[in-house]
Amino acid sequence: AIQMTQSPSSLSASVGDRVTVTCRASQGIRNNLGWFQQLPGKAPKLLIYAASSLQDGVPSRFSGSGYDTDFTLTITSLQPEDSATYYCLQNDYYPFTFGPGTKVDVK
Amino acid sequence: EELLVESGGGLVKPGGSLRLSCAASGFSFSVYGMNWVRQAPGKGPQWVSSISEGSDYIYYEDSVKGRFTISRDNVENSLSLQMKSLRPEDTGVYYCARALNIMDLWGQGTTVTVSS
Repeated sequence: AIQMTQSPSSLSASVGDRVTVTCRASQGIRNNLGWFQQLPGKAPKLLIYAASSLQDGVPSRFSGSGYDTDFTLTITSLQPEDSATYYCLQNDYYPFTFGPGTKVDVK
Repeated sequence: EELLVESGGGLVKPGGSLRLSCAASGFSFSVYGMNWVRQAPGKGPQWVSSISEGSDYIYYEDSVKGRFTISRDNVENSLSLQMKSLRPEDTGVYYCARALNIMDLWGQGTTVTVSS
């Protein structure tokens, strides 16, 4: 199975900061990667699909980039409501695999 | 409004069985692949199973192969997950998720607890 790693595992940043989360796949997955935001007690919410496509309704401060094995999620101008855990997911090969998550705390 | 609503979770003893259901509404269920994803307490999500629009293609995570069966009814707009020989490590919240681009629509989840 493809292993997904994320860094950092957690971060704390201030309102208005630019935040970057990275995700690495153990083998190439082309652009078949998504990013999800999960609030406590809620289902994951899709932010980015196909590595860089913004899901409808998601604020434009969220963006994704990358191809093959290295991917990034960027949040420009961090907002208080962005406090959450963020997961990447590869959907190129079965079994689909999620990264371990990055907890973002907004100071 | 596009909705997925899971049901069927509960407390079951190890070795027991449970059938989860996911009711879809507000969209053309029959044209989308569907997934089950679970999340153990305090852990990240884990993909469990996928089924194509016409049930031609079905996939399972290794630890549930032979124990779980995914199915769908495109007339009733429903997705199911039959779970047998349940283990404590199957405990968690089970979500159904629509497969458009990737898992773009999720239900609220149903909780499965496997404990004696």
